[in-house]
Amino acid sequence: GAGVSQSPRYKVAKRGQDVALRCDPISGHVSLFWYQQALGQGPEFLTYFQNEAQLDKSGLPSDRFFAERPEGSVSTLKIQRTQQEDSAVYLCASSLRPLYEQYFGPGTRLTVT
Amino acid sequence: QQQVKQSPQSLIVQKGGISIINCAYENTAFDYFPWYQQFPGKGPALLIAIRPDVSEKKEGRFTISFNKSAKQFSLHIMDSQPGDSATYFCAASTAARGSQGNLIFGKGTKLSVKP
Repeated sequence: GAGVSQSPRYKVAKRGQDVALRCDPISGHVSLFWYQQALGQGPEFLTYFQNEAQLDKSGLPSDRFFAERPEGSVSTLKIQRTQQEDSAVYLCASSLRPLYEQYFGPGTRLTVT
Repeated sequence: QQQVKQSPQSLIVQKGGISIINCAYENTAFDYFPWYQQFPGKGPALLIAIRPDVSEKKEGRFTISFNKSAKQFSLHIMDSQPGDSATYFCAASTAARGSQGNLIFGKGTKLSVKP
């Protein structure tokens, strides 16, 4: 079946612009995670959804970062007033249920100039 | 404070050799330890995972060894092939009450398998 998909795959934004990154999880997966992966580093947790409820947003680096999953399927990560330090790959992962194996999408590479 | 420490940072192995990557953790509440493989431009792909009730798990050429008392676990890739050249990440998470199961990753090991 289809895996996790993310769009766009690449995004270039000028500093100060707002961006929206989309994640389509595997159909039927209850849990959805967002991670940020800096160049040459491992992914770092940003936020977690169980269905439409955002249960953990402790990893969001600032209040410029906002995520939503209004119908419990597709999720959007929004970054307002982008800064150069926001440049990274943003990964989405989903799992069938909480604490099950996580499957990752290909990521969105964000470059802020 | 880095919760999962991974070594080495890079590794070069000859085709047919054994690749060994090590990880150490600090949080004794961790109870799920997956390994992910990542190719350039792709997302991490789950390779193999272990829970602390066993000391070893083998799937094909990939084996995880787990030492609970030392708080260490390692990935062994037997008969390494050029197609195994990728970056490998160890990770850990906890199923403790209130946890969401978010993964804590090591910094990664870039493996190159020479023909």
